[in-house]
Amino acid sequence: NAGVTQTPKFQVLKTGQSMTLQCAQDMNHNSMYWYRQDPGMGLRLIYYSASEGTTDKGEVPNGYNVSRLNKREFSLRLESAAPSQTSVYFCASSEGSPYYSNQPQHFGDGTRLSIL
Amino acid sequence: GENVEQHPSTLSVQEGDSAVIKCTYSDSASNYFPWYKQELGKGPQLIIDIRSNVGEKKDQRIAVTLNKTAKHFSLHITETQPEDSAVYFCAANSNSGYALNFGKGTSLLVTP
Repeated sequence: NAGVTQTPKFQVLKTGQSMTLQCAQDMNHNSMYWYRQDPGMGLRLIYYSASEGTTDKGEVPNGYNVSRLNKREFSLRLESAAPSQTSVYFCASSEGSPYYSNQPQHFGDGTRLSIL
Repeated sequence: GENVEQHPSTLSVQEGDSAVIKCTYSDSASNYFPWYKQELGKGPQLIIDIRSNVGEKKDQRIAVTLNKTAKHFSLHITETQPEDSAVYFCAANSNSGYALNFGKGTSLLVTP
């Protein structure tokens, strides 16, 4: 049982480059999320998706775009990477709705992204 | 989203002692409070959660208590072991925002 799978695990980019972080879940969950984790800041929500084809902004969406390709997959794209986007990125999924959610979220093991 | 405050930010205990981490929340409508453990290089993993219709929940050496009136909830780990060393996050849902609001984490170190 893989749960939530994120690729790649590590990536180094130069300022201005673009890349897409991939996430897939095999738990048939409706809701999916992207977070970033910085030292002393905890987990901050970037974007989330309640179902295929729908996405909403979270707390820190600037500089990112997302695509909910199908029920399993939710990708995060950096169009023009900046050093401030150096972080660890986590994808998560949960049953039910993300709004006033009372269901546990299941996390992947993250993508460690450095932007020089 | 609504604020979730977590204390302490770091905690060091000796093996066999108990550890307590406390969180407060601001939204009186919050009704779901999970706790996550994050080991180095891994994603957060759910270890226990509590809903607002109960005041306490236990699972072996870990327990969570909830005081809805005071809007705080706590994680209790008894008989700590070195493998309990990790970062612990509390969270709460909110009807004025989205998904879950997380505390900033507590780094727990259990020394042999």
